[in-house]
Amino acid sequence: NAGVTQTPKFRVLKTGQSMTLLCAQDMNHEYMYWYRQDPGMGLRLIHYSVGEGTTAKGEVPDGYNVSRLKKQNFLLGLESAAPSQTSVYFCASRGSTSPLHFGNGTRLTVT
Amino acid sequence: LAKTTQPISMDSYEGQEVNITCSHNNIATNDYITWYQQFPSQGPRFIIQGYKTKVTNEVASLFIPADRKSSTLSLPRVSLSDTAVYYCLVGPGGGADGLTFGKGTHLIIQP
Repeated sequence: NAGVTQTPKFRVLKTGQSMTLLCAQDMNHEYMYWYRQDPGMGLRLIHYSVGEGTTAKGEVPDGYNVSRLKKQNFLLGLESAAPSQTSVYFCASRGSTSPLHFGNGTRLTVT
Repeated sequence: LAKTTQPISMDSYEGQEVNITCSHNNIATNDYITWYQQFPSQGPRFIIQGYKTKVTNEVASLFIPADRKSSTLSLPRVSLSDTAVYYCLVGPGGGADGLTFGKGTHLIIQP
């Protein structure tokens, strides 16, 4: 039982490049979330999903897109990366009343 | 969504009991209260969850007064390894809203 797996673990992008972060969970959870965490700061919600085929905006959605085509996967896309998107990205999932289960994060640097 | 307020930082010593209080004045009827622990370079980890009164597990206790407008995480006999950031999260048990974190409490344990 792997829990929540994030791919890749590290990535360096140049400004303007695009990339997709993958989050996979094997707990059959309905809800999935993408957060970003800047150095010394708390977690900020980017987008979330309450079920397959649904997505919603969080606190800081600008510059990001998401898709939830399969229940177990939640993809976060950056169409044109900017230095302000340098951060650690965490994915999380939960069942209807269960707590959040987090992945180990993706460290993204945009130069 | 219920906003949360916690102390930014706290200090204590090994072997002491530590209590961290979180205020959530506009908590909704179906909201649970969940506490997470985060070490540097890791995703947050679930500690304890409750709805009302007192909950205890092998690592912590959670005290919730009758009005549910605050909660207190109690860590018995802390050790150096308890140095971390602790987040209080208030959210719908089965609802569709995104879960947003506050700034957390940086707990520093000294020898």
